[in-house]
Amino acid sequence: DAGVIQSPRHEVTEMGQEVTLRCKPISGHDYLFWYRQTMMRGLELLIYFNNNVPIDDSGMPEDRFSAKMPNASFSTLKIQPSEPRDSAVYFCASSARAGVSYEQYFGPGTRLTVT
Amino acid sequence: GENVEQHPSTLSVQEGDSAVIKCTYSDSASNYFPWYKQELGKGPQLIIDIRSNVGEKKDQRIAVTLNKTAKHFSLHITETQPEDSAVYFCAASRPPPFYNAGNMLTFGGGTRLMVKP
Repeated sequence: DAGVIQSPRHEVTEMGQEVTLRCKPISGHDYLFWYRQTMMRGLELLIYFNNNVPIDDSGMPEDRFSAKMPNASFSTLKIQPSEPRDSAVYFCASSARAGVSYEQYFGPGTRLTVT
Repeated sequence: GENVEQHPSTLSVQEGDSAVIKCTYSDSASNYFPWYKQELGKGPQLIIDIRSNVGEKKDQRIAVTLNKTAKHFSLHITETQPEDSAVYFCAASRPPPFYNAGNMLTFGGGTRLMVKP
């Protein structure tokens, strides 16, 4: 398997623009997580899905952020409008409830810079 | 909610020496404690994990210990090698609140380990 795939790897945009980050989880995994990593706040869970259904979005910072999972192999995280403080690395991770294994497999991340 | 503190934030050791990273957590209901290694430009990768019914777990040069009473757990790396240089994160998770709830991890702040050859 290719692992978790994220695109784009780097995104530079201007304040006020809409940004869409994409994720393809590992095939067969039924949990998908979106994280944000910054120097100040470390790794934060934003939202996660089970079988394409959002389970907990309490980490989403504000209404400018939204996430969808239209099918088992694709998810998006959208920021509209973007602000400089949204600059961070955004990771997608997936996991499968297989026995007692809870390992989350992370993608390579998308480095977002908002100017 | 859960709060995970990790120390030290940076650690420099000589190749061949041991490295120890410590974490404390606040939620006594947490029962799963993974450690992730993040190399430059990559996502975190699980290296070892431990559950609350076990006090210690070892995998080659890596070991993790858990003290539930004191609510702290540690990562031990022996015979360090330059390729161990990375940022290490501890995390904690409580049992899912309902059947299909996933494993919500709270991460520590990370430790940058530098192994000098």
